[in-house]
Amino acid sequence: DTAVSQTPKYLVTQMGNDKSIKCEQNLGHDTMYWYKQDSKKFLKIMFSYNNKELIINETVPNRFSPKSPDKAHLNLHINSLELGDSAVYFCASSQVNYYNEQFFGPGTRLTVL
Amino acid sequence: DQQVKQNSPSLSVQEGRISILNCDYTNSMFDYFLWYKKYPAEGPTFLISISSIKDKNEDGRFTVFLNKSAKHLSLHIVPSQPGDSAVYFCAASGGTGNQFYFGTGTSLTVIP
Repeated sequence: DTAVSQTPKYLVTQMGNDKSIKCEQNLGHDTMYWYKQDSKKFLKIMFSYNNKELIINETVPNRFSPKSPDKAHLNLHINSLELGDSAVYFCASSQVNYYNEQFFGPGTRLTVL
Repeated sequence: DQQVKQNSPSLSVQEGRISILNCDYTNSMFDYFLWYKKYPAEGPTFLISISSIKDKNEDGRFTVFLNKSAKHLSLHIVPSQPGDSAVYFCAASGGTGNQFYFGTGTSLTVIP
């Protein structure tokens, strides 16, 4: 029974296209995140939502727009894809309490051609 | 500006021996640290954590040591097993919210 799931697992697309990645968690957590792992393997937070409200928004191009329809879902929409957007994107969730680990999804490998 | 650094991208250890993975951080506000383990094509999974009020936390074969003055933590795995072969990420948090900063990972290979 998957705790944090992401779809699709792989995404190959052309520059300039718009694409979405979906994330769902069934852990009852309050907070969800999107991370980007680039070619240097650096895992960097992009966004964090708590109870459908944006609480962390790192320096990310505004072509990236997260959407949280409810606290179990956090989708990532990317407009006008660029070559540099190629990366693995991880969704994660946690309880809002400070000292709680995050549970990660399996990742979505995005390749922009 | 990378606030959490893992300077060894890879480490190879013989089965049964100790694996020591290191992590350094720069932000003195960090007060909670975690280690995650990641297998290929999977997301990171939580392994062990430590808060800044402690200098050691142990869970079975895994022990994390924290040296606040040196802003350094390490993960010890004893004895190492082939199933421990994975990428290990160090993460740190502190100050506001539950934003975690991750290192770039160390790929551990345990040789049978």
